Amino acid sequence: DAGVIQSPRHEVTEMGQEVTLRCKPISGHNSLFWYRQTMMRGLELLIYFNNNVPIDDSGMPEDRFSAKMPNASFSTLKIQPSEPRDSAVYFCASSLRGAANEQFFGPGTRLTVL
Amino acid sequence: DAKTTQPPSMDCAEGRAANLPCNHSTISGNEYVYWYRQIHSQGPQYIIHGLKNNETNEMASLIITEDRKSSTLILPHATLRDTAVYYCIVRDNYGQNFVFGPGTRLSVLP
Repeated sequence: DAGVIQSPRHEVTEMGQEVTLRCKPISGHNSLFWYRQTMMRGLELLIYFNNNVPIDDSGMPEDRFSAKMPNASFSTLKIQPSEPRDSAVYFCASSLRGAANEQFFGPGTRLTVL
Repeated sequence: DAKTTQPPSMDCAEGRAANLPCNHSTISGNEYVYWYRQIHSQGPQYIIHGLKNNETNEMASLIITEDRKSSTLILPHATLRDTAVYYCIVRDNYGQNFVFGPGTRLSVLP
């Protein structure tokens, strides 16, 4: 298995633009997580899906952020409009049967908003 | 807020055992102790987890004190590739959130 796949690996955009980050979880995993990592705040959970349904989105910072999981093999995290303070590394992770199990992280997407 | 406290940094000589401590004095009876690590520029990697018994796998050993208020992650023969930030996390099987604190930055020195 290729592991969790994220794209793009790097994204540079200008303030106000829409940004879409993509994630393909490990086949057979039914839980998917989006995290954000910054120097100031460390690693934060943004949203968690179980069987394609959002279970906990309390970590989503504001309405500019949205996440979808249209099927078991694909998820997106969208920021619209983007702001410089959104600059961070965004990680996607997946696991078998919920958050209690080992989470496998992708390589991350480094987002820079100018 | 993270429920654990860890030293911000530690050094270890290559080939020696690395013992990383973690305090979790407010842990409840149904909460597990998890360890992850993050090598520079990569996503976090699961290492091990346990409830109250000591655990060992191919990567490390986890020693949990009898009162469960603290634990130690042991890398028996540290290598340069073990240089990373190590996170200790406590949570139960129903909690949704892994709260990653600042962790311990382990430097393995040649």
